[in-house]
Amino acid sequence: NAGVTQTPKFRILKIGQSMTLQCTQDMNHNYMYWYRQDPGMGLKLIYYSVGAGITDKGEVPNGYNVSRSTTEDFPLRLELAAPSQTSVYFCASSYSIKRGNTEAFFGQGTRLTVV
Amino acid sequence: GENVEQHPSTLSVQEGDSAVIKCTYSDSASNYFPWYKQELGKRPQLIIDIRSNVGEKKDQRIAVTLNKTAKHFSLHITETQPEDSAVYFCAASPSAGKSTFGDGTTLTVKP
Repeated sequence: NAGVTQTPKFRILKIGQSMTLQCTQDMNHNYMYWYRQDPGMGLKLIYYSVGAGITDKGEVPNGYNVSRSTTEDFPLRLELAAPSQTSVYFCASSYSIKRGNTEAFFGQGTRLTVV
Repeated sequence: GENVEQHPSTLSVQEGDSAVIKCTYSDSASNYFPWYKQELGKRPQLIIDIRSNVGEKKDQRIAVTLNKTAKHFSLHITETQPEDSAVYFCAASPSAGKSTFGDGTTLTVKP
């Protein structure tokens, strides 16, 4: 199993450009998450999904969009990049059902700089 | 929704001393409490977890305790080593629910 795979690892965007951060998991997890982590700070939840076709906003959704067409994929879209979106982005997945939960597995992160 | 508070935000200890990080949660439906370690420039990774039917769990130098009545859980690291220096996150989640993370604790172990 590859776990959670994020691409790209690094990206520099110009203000106003758009991009999609890709995230794929092969563990058949139902929950998937996108976090951003600013330097020296904690994890801020952007969006999450409880299963294919279902997404919901987290704490800091403005400026981002997501979709979940399959169990495996959860891309994050930045439409009009702004310097405030400079951050490290982590995708994560976990399994959460009434019988119990698993840990969250994180991707290796995407370091995004908007100039 | 769930709210997780984590303290302290920074912790500095001498090598060989113990370190304790505490978290409180608000949702009594939460029943799974993992702890993650994030080394500099790396992704967070699970180091230990506890479920609500257990009060304490140990794994070598690391232990976690859970007090369901008070809605708090703690991470204990004994005989700290420089390689324990990292950011530690607690989290809480209910069955069939999303995980909520604390804001993290930066632990520095001084040689």
